[in-house]
Amino acid sequence: DTGVSQDPRHKITKRGQNVTFRCDPISEHNRLYWYRQTLGQGPEFLTYFQNEAQLEKSRLLSDRFSAERPKGSFSTLEIQRTEQGDSAMYLCASSRNEGTQSEKLFFGSGTQLSVL
Amino acid sequence: AQTVTQSQPEMSVQEAETVTLSCTYDTSESNYYLFWYKQPPSRQMILVIRQEAYKQQNATENRFSVNFQKAAKSFSLKISDSQLGDTAMYFCAFMNPPQGGGFKTIFGAGTRLFVKA
Repeated sequence: DTGVSQDPRHKITKRGQNVTFRCDPISEHNRLYWYRQTLGQGPEFLTYFQNEAQLEKSRLLSDRFSAERPKGSFSTLEIQRTEQGDSAMYLCASSRNEGTQSEKLFFGSGTQLSVL
Repeated sequence: AQTVTQSQPEMSVQEAETVTLSCTYDTSESNYYLFWYKQPPSRQMILVIRQEAYKQQNATENRFSVNFQKAAKSFSLKISDSQLGDTAMYFCAFMNPPQGGGFKTIFGAGTRLFVKA
């Protein structure tokens, strides 16, 4: 169990540029989630995948945001034409089916995005 | 829509003492899951404790226990014998069961806990 890894840890970009983040979940986890967290707030759900299928997207996810999980392994989150309001920590989490038990999330360390 | 409310933005406790963090939630579902997650200053979030709504017995994990009041939609976290390493943001969270529409976990705004030496 190597944990959930995210890359990069920090990203500084200029307004209008495109950025892409990567998340590698724990290998046997079939569900993967993206959250956004601003300072002093709780994580806000963006989207989640079950294997390679994107099953739910939040209304927070404008058409400038796109997420993929090819082959049900790693995932990428791309933000096009970044805006200053996109500045936040982007968290990835994964989980696996535990049967009837609640599924706990395993989080990565996040990617801190700063849009100048 | 489900919501999670943490009414205490910040709390402090003396080392070795007990502290209780509050959480209320709103849902029309009868079966669901509740969690407390901890986010230390290093920022990687980890699970502290979880509770299935169909279980009447309150969950415990070593020094951490919950007081689950289903009728009141309340889910508080008690930390006994507080340690300096407990200093962190604590998030209360809610998840629908799979048959309830998915695995989305909804988080509260968090309570920042300081443990003082």
